[in-house]
Formats: sequence, structure tokens, C-alpha cells
Amino acid sequence: GAGVSQSPSNKVTEKGKDVELRCDPISGHTALYWYRQRLGQGLEFLIYFQGNSAPDKSGLPSDRFSAERTGESVSTLTIQRTQQEDSAVYLCASSLVVSGWSSYNEQFFGPGTRLTVL
Amino acid sequence: AQTVTQSQPEMSVQEAETVTLSCTYDTSESDYYLFWYKQPPSRQMILVIRQEAYKQQNATENRFSVNFQKAAKSFSLKISDSQLGDAAMYFCAYRSADFGNEKLTFGTGTRLTIIP
Repeated sequence: GAGVSQSPSNKVTEKGKDVELRCDPISGHTALYWYRQRLGQGLEFLIYFQGNSAPDKSGLPSDRFSAERTGESVSTLTIQRTQQEDSAVYLCASSLVVSGWSSYNEQFFGPGTRLTVL
Repeated sequence: AQTVTQSQPEMSVQEAETVTLSCTYDTSESDYYLFWYKQPPSRQMILVIRQEAYKQQNATENRFSVNFQKAAKSFSLKISDSQLGDAAMYFCAYRSADFGNEKLTFGTGTRLTIIP
């Protein structure tokens, strides 16, 4: 079946502009995650959606960052008033999480969106 | 908060030889999962191997195996019979076993080069 897809693949924007990054998870996956990967670094957790529960926003670095998810489908990560330090690869992942039971649930990653802020 | 440390920014190995990548982590939890992910230049994160903390037996997946030392909080990856396709960034990651706390915490990665 289809994997996690992200668009656009690359995005170049000017400082101060808003950007929207899109993630299409694997069909049926209840959980969706956003991570940020700065150049030469590991992935940093940003936000986590699980079903109808309130999202875990504990990783968002500032109030310029927000994310939405429609049901158990598409998610959009929005960065307002972009800064040069926002330049990074933004990776999305999805997994199937059975409510009330935490077992191993593999996260499947998309190819990421490379954001460059000039 | 949990932390994951990879102290080897770069490693290289001759093709067909064996290499070990190191990872240590810090946590106060007793139940958790540990992972090794591979990231080739395509940026696609690929799960290589996972280990449940409650299992004493080290995980193996074909040429990949881990040495999990829970008391020492160490989780190294051994790649046997290295192949050119193994060249990539390798990330160690931690995940709590608590429901609702599914996020992954990653190390900074080790770039593995395979020498033909």
C-alpha cells in the first residue's frame, strides 16, 4: 500500500512569510507525528495527534508553529512569520495505535519537506 | 526527560567487515522501547531494528544485531558483513512504553561510510 507522503518536497521562502507543509498518513493509521531535523542533527519531536484526543504540542518551539489534523487523515503544519532558524527538514510519521494499549507501534516516516528560509 | 547520546559522529568500515555503532540513553522509566533507524540520502527514515526493554534477549535482524545493556543504559548496533548499501546516517531512538507518550527521542546520529 501507499506510504506516508509529504508535500512539497522542497520549499524556499522569504523570512517573514507563512508556510504550510502537508502530510498524508498511511490510510487507517490513527497516530500522526511531526518532527524537525536541522542540518546535521537528529530529529526533534514537534507534535503528536492520536485519534480524537487532544494533540501533544509539547515539542512546538514557539507560537509561530501550529498544526491541524482532519480526523485520521491529512495534517498540515503551519509556520508563521518564518525565521532563518526554521530552515530544516520537516518529517511526518504515522502509526496504528490501539486505544488504551501501548504496545510497539512502528512509526512509518514520509520523505520529508526541506524548508529553506532566505 | 529522556536523552539519547551517540558519541560517534562518523564511522567507516571496509566492505564485508563488521562495525559497531554506540548509543547511550538516560531515563527513569523501567519500560520502554529502543530503535535504530537508517537514513540514506533520500531522507527516508527506515527502521532497522527494535528492542523492548523488558526483553533480556538481544534483538537480531539478519546482519543487524544489538547489544542491549539495560543497567548501563547502552544500546549498540552491530552490522555484520557490511555492504555498500549500508552507507547512511544511523539514529538511535527511545520511546516510552506509556500509552499516549508515543513520541520518539533521537540521538544526533552516526554517519556510516562503507569503504569498497
